[in-house]
Amino acid sequence: AQSVSQHNHHVILSEAASLELGCNYSYGGTVNLFWYVQYPGQHLQLLLKYFSGDPLVKGIKGFEAEFIKSKFSFNLRKPSVQWSDTAEYFCAVILLSGGYQKVTFGTGTKLQVIP
Amino acid sequence: DVKVTQSSRYLVKRTGEKVFLECVQDMDHENMFWYRQDPGLGLRLIYFSYDVKMKEKGDIPEGYSVSREKKERFSLILESASTNQTSMYLCASSFVEDINEQFFGPGTRLTVL
Repeated sequence: AQSVSQHNHHVILSEAASLELGCNYSYGGTVNLFWYVQYPGQHLQLLLKYFSGDPLVKGIKGFEAEFIKSKFSFNLRKPSVQWSDTAEYFCAVILLSGGYQKVTFGTGTKLQVIP
Repeated sequence: DVKVTQSSRYLVKRTGEKVFLECVQDMDHENMFWYRQDPGLGLRLIYFSYDVKMKEKGDIPEGYSVSREKKERFSLILESASTNQTSMYLCASSFVEDINEQFFGPGTRLTVL
């Protein structure tokens, strides 16, 4: 069965520190990859997505993610975090197989940025 | 702007009650989804629908049913609520050719006593 792993459950960083959140998935076929963010009290919104092409994807608010097919990974990065990045981050994978699409979310990573 | 609305932000029900959670989207999306969000478990898909009157089970459909009588509305039904169904319920929608980008509602926090 398809699975998505986010190994960091809770990350605490000081402002200006660099961020990398891990995401690994289990399926070896064609996938589309996403990062969603949920700010406190707000609903989930798309941060960035990868379908094909350049494996380095840039999203909103200075976030980027790199798809490494050989490692089944799609890690989220930001060079310098701000207090306003405090949120919960979810990786999601959509498996594409013969017209069938199944979406699976990771368990989420809570990021706390200390001013 | 896509808008996905859910009927209640907070709901408190008693064990055994029948519970209806409503979701409405205004972007003519074909796909609609119901998830539950629990700490440490992330989002888990309960049911989804790719067209009116069509539904597919997700990963955790037990104890739930759904109804999609109109394209814009997708209802989640708890036939007999139990305490282990206390959770945050999220509705989402997307175009069928772009299941990739889902738009989420604000969520309904359901407490079953």
